[in-house]
Amino acid sequence: GAVVSQHPSRVICKSGTSVKIECRSLDFQATTMFWYRQFPKKSLMLMATSNEGSKATYEQGVEKDKFLINHASLTLSTLTVTSAHPEDSSFYICSVAGTNTGELFFGEGSRLTVL
Amino acid sequence: AQRVTQPEKLLSVFKGAPVELKCNYSYSGSPELFWYVQYSRQRLQLLLRHISRESIKGFTADLNKGETSFHLKKPFAQEEDSAMYYCALSSGGGGNKLTFGTGTQLKVEL
Repeated sequence: GAVVSQHPSRVICKSGTSVKIECRSLDFQATTMFWYRQFPKKSLMLMATSNEGSKATYEQGVEKDKFLINHASLTLSTLTVTSAHPEDSSFYICSVAGTNTGELFFGEGSRLTVL
Repeated sequence: AQRVTQPEKLLSVFKGAPVELKCNYSYSGSPELFWYVQYSRQRLQLLLRHISRESIKGFTADLNKGETSFHLKKPFAQEEDSAMYYCALSSGGGGNKLTFGTGTQLKVEL
């Protein structure tokens, strides 16, 4: 399966600043990537689907201007949380779609804390 | 709208006892169901998919469309099975967009 690496694994920032999280597919051409958000003791919530070379598709209720997703190459997708606020503090996880239906390869996640 | 329900947040069993992690879904079409697992300090990974009808690490899951369930079972729990288990649903059509349940923490005690 694909090896997916996220960076940074932890980030702390001040309210109002922007934070970029990178998701790299190290050995697999990632045509499609997914970004999830996970609240404590809750499920993974799909934020957006990112397709290489095109605009991301956001789920209902997710602000596209708040969570900027770029997927310019087959190995890298980035999530930028703009003007972060404490309520944006969460665990963000990216995944790469495999070749089989429902097959996802996950990154290790990035924990964002906004002070 | 599709939904996946895992009613148990925590399931504690003794080693060697049978395990059943419950998963129910709601979806109007023909779903494809999956179980993902997350071991301590590891990332989420695919355990099994209903379409493969496979047994992975002794776990099996049968899709019951009448009861809209996809329970995960293992006859004899092992200590290394302790992990967080997520049931997930795909709307099919070759897509990888998944809806996850809230997860069940399985703890196997000696």
